Amino acid sequence: DTGVSQDPRHKITKRGQNVTFRCDPISEHNRLYWYRQTLGQGPEFLTYFQNEAQLEKSRLLSDRFSAERPKGSFSTLEIQRTEQGDSAMYLCASSFGESQPQHFGDGTRLSIL
Amino acid sequence: RKEVEQDPGPFNVPEGATVAFNCTYSNSASQSFFWYRQDCRKEPKLLMSVYSSGNEDGRFTAQLNRASQYISLLIRDSKLSDSATYLCAVSLGGFKTIFGAGTRLFVKA
Repeated sequence: DTGVSQDPRHKITKRGQNVTFRCDPISEHNRLYWYRQTLGQGPEFLTYFQNEAQLEKSRLLSDRFSAERPKGSFSTLEIQRTEQGDSAMYLCASSFGESQPQHFGDGTRLSIL
Repeated sequence: RKEVEQDPGPFNVPEGATVAFNCTYSNSASQSFFWYRQDCRKEPKLLMSVYSSGNEDGRFTAQLNRASQYISLLIRDSKLSDSATYLCAVSLGGFKTIFGAGTRLFVKA
């Protein structure tokens, strides 16, 4: 199965620590998205890459959040100085073209103690 | 007003029942529409795209009403395994896709 993969699946850390998540999209997909989802809500858009270019960032993405996609393949999402409110499922998705359906990875569930 | 709205439910239906969900969107420029299924603590999985003329995939039928700005999902002959949260997604074109908060469905024996 060559779907979207995310690592780690779960991350538990203390408040104030930095965390980094990785996403490997479907290989032929040039568009990559990061979302955050909390209980009872749909996925909320965080940021978007087309190839290696980060083309859009949500206002939800504070300066503690940074994302990269250095070679237009995998992407990383880093959260610095984590806060309790950062606890959520972080989802990565990829798609082949504009307005095409997005395919999600398993997500990384972040818990801040 | 939220850009994409769904009735959170839950919808509790017996096996074999037909159930329908609606999803309203606020931006008339929306171009593409999708239904996703999400099981508890899992990622959303694409169920089907929604085409202007309506489309069917087995027991699932999706329809788009541009005039009233909503999409619908109809599930016939519900199975226990259909129990999940159903998310609608609306794309404005380009990168932006907005997801609804989902409608929870419980199918009971």
